[in-house]
Amino acid sequence: AQTVTQSQPEMSVQEAETVTLSCTYDTSESDYYLFWYKQPPSRQMILVIRQEAYKQQNATENRFSVNFQKAAKSFSLKISDSQLGDAAMYFCAYRTSFAGGTSYGKLTFGQGTILTVHP
Amino acid sequence: DTAVSQTPKYLVTQMGNDKSIKCEQNLGHDTMYWYKQDSKKFLKIMFSYNNKELIINETVPNRFSPKSPDKAHLNLHINSLELGDSAVYFCASSTSSTRSEAFFGQGTRLTVV
Repeated sequence: AQTVTQSQPEMSVQEAETVTLSCTYDTSESDYYLFWYKQPPSRQMILVIRQEAYKQQNATENRFSVNFQKAAKSFSLKISDSQLGDAAMYFCAYRTSFAGGTSYGKLTFGQGTILTVHP
Repeated sequence: DTAVSQTPKYLVTQMGNDKSIKCEQNLGHDTMYWYKQDSKKFLKIMFSYNNKELIINETVPNRFSPKSPDKAHLNLHINSLELGDSAVYFCASSTSSTRSEAFFGQGTRLTVV
């Protein structure tokens, strides 16, 4: 079974600075998807960024980028030019790419990291 | 034009009662899910349905019974509610494409007293 670990329960950053959130995972599969979701106080789960394991290039979405190290099974999220609106809980998640079976479509989440942004 | 909507958003009920949470998506997706977020914010899948067929049932007590009347709806019925059932329940949906991301509803905070 796949597991996802976020070892940083809390992180903080000054507005306009850069912060990196860590995530490691364990799987025996070679093809899969990794995600970062943001959960602000409103409780809504918002997709921040997605990485496909077969792609070597790191995904980027505006101020958000990832450092995907497949061999090390590491998937960190970098937030540049942090804004007050980035304050939230961030979840790393794993999804198999296998189209079938009882795990199909299932997201396995890490424990989450609470990000505080200081003005 | 909410993509995935759940009702109710908040639910407070007494132990032993039976309650239902409804979920509807208007994204044309064929796969829907229920996730539970516990008091420590840990998210875990409970069920998934693909084209109204149960695909995932993750060691959830029999008191929880999902029902999908059609591809756009997935309801969760809970019998004999217990204090430990207090949590936030999220509905989500996606297509059956392996590249599809999951879209989440706003969650239902269930409090059992």
